[in-house]
Amino acid sequence: AQSVSQHNHHVILSEAASLELGCNYSYGGTVNLFWYVQYPGQHLQLLLKYFSGDPLVKGIKGFEAEFIKSKFSFNLRKPSVQWSDTAEYFCAVSSGTYKYIFGTGTRLKVLA
Amino acid sequence: DAMVIQNPRYQVTQFGKPVTLSCSQTLNHNVMYWYQQKSSQAPKLLFHYYDKDFNNEADTPDNFQSRRPNTSFCFLDIRSPGLGDAAMYLCATRGQGALSNQPQHFGDGTRLSIL
Repeated sequence: AQSVSQHNHHVILSEAASLELGCNYSYGGTVNLFWYVQYPGQHLQLLLKYFSGDPLVKGIKGFEAEFIKSKFSFNLRKPSVQWSDTAEYFCAVSSGTYKYIFGTGTRLKVLA
Repeated sequence: DAMVIQNPRYQVTQFGKPVTLSCSQTLNHNVMYWYQQKSSQAPKLLFHYYDKDFNNEADTPDNFQSRRPNTSFCFLDIRSPGLGDAAMYLCATRGQGALSNQPQHFGDGTRLSIL
């Protein structure tokens, strides 16, 4: 069965620090990968997605993610976080169906 | 200009008393989903509709039912809520597009509490 692992459950950073959130999935076939963000009191929003082509994907608000097929990973990065990036981040995988599997999420707190 | 609207944002019901959560969308998307999300857990898919075709997850309790009377609306009915059903319920939509590379669009969720 497919699964998604986000190893960092809580991350605390100071403003301007660099961010990397891990996401690993288990599925041997072709996958489509997503990162969603949920700001406090708001709905899940798409940050970025990968389905083919350049494995380095750029999203909104300065986020990027790199798909490394050999490692089954899709880590999210941002060179310099801001206080407004405080949110919960979810990695999700889909593979040829209408179903999406989500990770358990990472709560990021950025200290001003 | 919210595109996926869930009502109400907060719902309180009594143990065993049926409750209905609603979701509407202005995106004209074929696919609609209901997820259950408990604290510090991943959103768990309960079921999804492709148009009127209903797809139930194998581990979704029988207590949970759904209706989709038209493209725009989808309802989640919990027939006899137990304390373990207290959670955030998320509705999402997705356009048909190429298989599985389309993102989902989420509503704000309904937080259900059971007394």
